[in-house]
This record gives sequence, structure tokens and C-alpha cells, in this order.
Amino acid sequence: LAKTTQPISMDSYEGQEVNITCSHNNIATNDYITWYQQFPSQGPRFIIQGYKTKVTNEVASLFIPADRKSSTLSLPRVSLSDTAVYYCLVGDINNDMRFGAGTRLTVKP
Amino acid sequence: DTEVTQTPKHLVMGMTNKKSLKCEQHMGHRAMYWYKQKAKKPPELMFVYSYEKLSINESVPSRFSPECPNSSLLNLHLHALQPEDSALYLCASSQNEGGQEQETQYFGPGTRLLVL
Repeated sequence: LAKTTQPISMDSYEGQEVNITCSHNNIATNDYITWYQQFPSQGPRFIIQGYKTKVTNEVASLFIPADRKSSTLSLPRVSLSDTAVYYCLVGDINNDMRFGAGTRLTVKP
Repeated sequence: DTEVTQTPKHLVMGMTNKKSLKCEQHMGHRAMYWYKQKAKKPPELMFVYSYEKLSINESVPSRFSPECPNSSLLNLHLHALQPEDSALYLCASSQNEGGQEQETQYFGPGTRLLVL
């Protein structure tokens, strides 16, 4: 399983765009990149998944460069309710999902 | 219905007790998971069930015993736990369709366990 590295924490202000980068240097050909969000005392929640280039949904965008050794989760115009831990995961079809340390995002007013 | 439910929400038990955690989903998912999460740490995978059969056991001590009675239910039986086993226990499920991508897992709210 590819190991992921993310910043431990980030601070932002309401209304700003937040970009969280994840490094996964040993990503395998079949691996997908998935991001989850977790609020305190709740289970993680799926945000977005991608394989290459760019993926966008109603919540976030995911940018993946051609070499796929990193990825960036972009949260547009964050609000206080986006304060959470964000996990980047890399893996394939096997149901063996390992969470990295995650990034603790704090959005300030 | 995209909900995974877990009971109880909170559990306090002594080291000699036997208790069970329960997880249920009605999304027709055929893969179910148990994770353990300590405070300020990421979730750690414990067990994976695929089509009601145990497919992954992450070298979890035998005092944790999983059971999958049917495709909708997942139990975790606890016996002779230690105080260091106190944590949030999360259940999750996914479709297990065998597609190319990593499947989305849907998590329950967890059971917060305290072992005295």
C-alpha cells in the first residue's frame, strides 16, 4: 500500500480557498486517490476520488499531476463548518484502506 | 438509505466483562469493516468481511472477535479487554462490486468504548 504524507495542520479563514496537498511517491498504477473528512466523534465521510488530472464535485476539487506522485484537495470558500480532519488515502480495488495521519484544518472567522 | 448504524453509542466495561458492538446497514453492501480509532489518531483497520466471510484480519488480538451473521449485520464481540483498548470503534460498509476504483466506504458514528 502506498504511504501518504500530508501536513499535520492548516489554518484558514472563512471564505478562503484551502488547498491540502498529499504526497504519495510510491503510488501504483492501479491505485486511486481518495479523500475523506472527519468531524470529532463522527465516522469519516467520503469527499472525492480521482485517478488522474482533475475531478470536481459539489464539495471539492481534486488535482492530480501527470506523475501522480501527489494530489491536492481544493475546498472553495471554506466556512467554519469545514473545520475537520482531512485524510488522503491511496489504494486499489482491494478493500484494504489505510488512513494516513490526516490534516487538521481549522477555519477561523 | 445511506446510513450505517452502530449500537451502543457509548459503552463502559470492566476487564472481565463480555460485551458486543453491533453494526447494521441496509444499502445492500457486501463488504463490512471494523476500525479502531484512538484520540487524535487516524482510524486503524481491524477486520474486513467480504460476502459475509472474513477476508482481512490485521493481526488483531483474539479478545476481539468479529462476526457477520448476514449481509446487513456486523458484530464485534469483546472479552477480557485491557484499558488500552479504550477507543472509538467504527464500522463501515462498501458495495464490493469488484470495480476498478477504490470503493467508497460509508462509516457509522462509532461506539465509544471505555475499559476500566
